Amino acid sequence: DTAVSQTPKYLVTQMGNDKSIKCEQNLGHDTMYWYKQDSKKFLKIMFSYNNKELIINETVPNRFSPKSPDKAHLNLHINSLELGDSAVYFCASSQAGVNNEQFFGPGTRLTVL
Amino acid sequence: QQQVKQSPQSLIVQKGGIPIINCAYENTAFDYFPWYQQFPGKGPALLIAIRPDVSEKKEGRFTISFNKSAKQFSLHIMDSQPGDSATYFCAAKVGGATNKLIFGTGTLLAVQP
Repeated sequence: DTAVSQTPKYLVTQMGNDKSIKCEQNLGHDTMYWYKQDSKKFLKIMFSYNNKELIINETVPNRFSPKSPDKAHLNLHINSLELGDSAVYFCASSQAGVNNEQFFGPGTRLTVL
Repeated sequence: QQQVKQSPQSLIVQKGGIPIINCAYENTAFDYFPWYQQFPGKGPALLIAIRPDVSEKKEGRFTISFNKSAKQFSLHIMDSQPGDSATYFCAAKVGGATNKLIFGTGTLLAVQP
């Protein structure tokens, strides 16, 4: 009955590789987000989609490309991975509207060697 | 301007104590202030939230105090328990339709038995 799920939970890869993280929510929400949490636990928004439309696109290297095939899914593809990309990536979802709670997934810990 | 400053970075209290975590902001366009709780290995989860037209909000043992003129808000945890040990993040929502949250830097709370 997981509300927001992410796969994989852990991802270890070499510099220069391309990888994807998948996110799915079963809450019926229409807005989904990607956050990056660095080693100091700082949490920063990267992207947000509402009804498959990109509505937040922070200053993120264009090696990161989100894709939303439908309202319930938001994937993150990362090209040419760098050491600095090592972090925990969280997917979240909410219902559009004023002050709606964001529900976070369990996170994907990405380690780039 | 789109920053939320949070202190302290870490906090240790005895069981039954009242830890207080403080946050400050500059941007008067922020219109919603949630607090999130994060346990190790988990995603953040909404704990309590307040709008700027309210000076205090209580939910169980958790209270937010909000000072609009000072642009500060704080989280108080009454009768703290070891199970409250977690990282706490304040956040501020940018006004508008995107539901974009700016997070503080987090406070690691340890409640000793």
